[in-house]
Amino acid sequence: GQQLNQSPQSMFIQEGEDVSMNCTSSSIFNTWLWYKQDPGEGPVLLIALYKAGELTSNGRLTAQFGITRKDSFLNISASIPSDVGIYFCAGQLKQGAQKLVFGQGTRLTINP
Amino acid sequence: DAGVIQSPRHEVTEMGQEVTLRCKPISGHDYLFWYRQTMMRGLELLIYFNNNVPIDDSGMPEDRFSAKMPNASFSTLKIQPSEPRDSAVYFCASSPLDRHTDTQYFGPGTRLTVL
Repeated sequence: GQQLNQSPQSMFIQEGEDVSMNCTSSSIFNTWLWYKQDPGEGPVLLIALYKAGELTSNGRLTAQFGITRKDSFLNISASIPSDVGIYFCAGQLKQGAQKLVFGQGTRLTINP
Repeated sequence: DAGVIQSPRHEVTEMGQEVTLRCKPISGHDYLFWYRQTMMRGLELLIYFNNNVPIDDSGMPEDRFSAKMPNASFSTLKIQPSEPRDSAVYFCASSPLDRHTDTQYFGPGTRLTVL
């Protein structure tokens, strides 16, 4: 099936540092999404991207839809303790297809 | 407004037993999704419904798994008989009828342990 390669798998950073993670695929995606999952909870949508080249921000979070439509990145600036969690990228292959393909996740740990 | 509700939150059972997971989607949402999350395989879509009708069940692992949506406010995922390899967190998500599918709202999940 379709796969998204998400990296890094884990990150250990100091509070206040910036974070960058990305997803790549051999397939072209129609939509890219970034979710965050806190322990014991379901994923929560952070940012949705719909057009190649689109750059979207949500507070300290910034994500971009790659020009080739095969990749996306998520940046977090000035990390704080509540940023801890697992971040997932997800892609929609075709508009209206409803199905999402998820990356394996990036586990973010922050040292105060 | 209540989000997606799943029950039970935790389930421990013995191999061979029947397990039923329950989901109440957000009122007014037309799509319902069942996912399974494991360390090895990540988040996998098992099946999804549109207006209570199963649309794609290609992710259902095998015949031991079945899902139903008898009405717009309730869905079940059943495993019979359960096996240790079914141990995972099972998520239900719902989505409104929208040109974008990004608005999938996830429930808190059911952590299933099969001994």
